[in-house]
Amino acid sequence: EVVLTQSPGTLSLSPGERATLSCRASQSVSSNYLAWYQQKPGQAPRLLIYVASSRATGIPDRFSGSGSGTDFTLTISRLEPEDFAVYYCQQYGSSPWTFGQGTKVEIK
Amino acid sequence: EVQLVESGGGLVKPGGSLRLSCAASGFTFSNAWMRWVRQAPGKGLEWVGRIKTKGDGETTDYAAPVRGRFTISRDDSKNTLYLQMNNLKIEDTAVYYCATIDGSTGYVYWGQGTLVTVSS
Repeated sequence: EVVLTQSPGTLSLSPGERATLSCRASQSVSSNYLAWYQQKPGQAPRLLIYVASSRATGIPDRFSGSGSGTDFTLTISRLEPEDFAVYYCQQYGSSPWTFGQGTKVEIK
Repeated sequence: EVQLVESGGGLVKPGGSLRLSCAASGFTFSNAWMRWVRQAPGKGLEWVGRIKTKGDGETTDYAAPVRGRFTISRDDSKNTLYLQMNNLKIEDTAVYYCATIDGSTGYVYWGQGTLVTVSS
C-alpha cells in the first residue's frame, strides 16, 4: 500500500502568514489522485483539493495544491483565523485508500 | 447535488453487532465503487473497505483489522450502501464515513459520518 508521510507534524503561524504543508508518498500516486482535507474538532473532513491541484467547490483561492508523483504540497497563501485546523492528505489512486497522519496548523 | 447520508450508529457492547447504512443521491449509485472510512476519537483517518459495482462483480476488499468481522454490501434498487459489523471490539469505536469518487473528475464525496461506540 502507498504510505503517505506529512510534514511538519505541527505548524505554528500567525494569521496573515503563508502555510506550506508537505505530503510525500512511498510510491507514485496513480493518476495524481491526491486530495487534501481540512478537519476541525467534531466535524467531518472537508475536501479542499482533489487530483493534486483542483480546488473543491466553494474553497477560497488562498488554498492551492501542487505536485505530482510522490511529492505534493498544500499552500495557504494568507492564513485566516478559520484556517487553524488539522490537514490530511489522502491518496485514492490505488486500493487501499491511505491517509497521511495529519499536520496541525496552530496559532503562534 | 451528490449527497451521502450515514445512519445506524450507536452504543453497542463488545462482541455485539451493528449495521450502518449510507443513503446516496445525486449520482448513479449503481455505477459507483463505494468505500467506508473511519476515524477513532483523536486519531487519523483509516480506510475500512470497498465494494465494486455489480458489473465489476460486487467484489469487496477490507482492511486487515476488520476482515472477517465486517461485511460491505449494497442495494442498488435503494441507492444504499451497508456496513455490517459483527463481533465488535472497543477499538472499533469511531465515526464511520461512506465515500465515493466521481470517476470522470476525480472529485471525492464524503458523508457526514455516524458514530459507533463500543463499550461495556
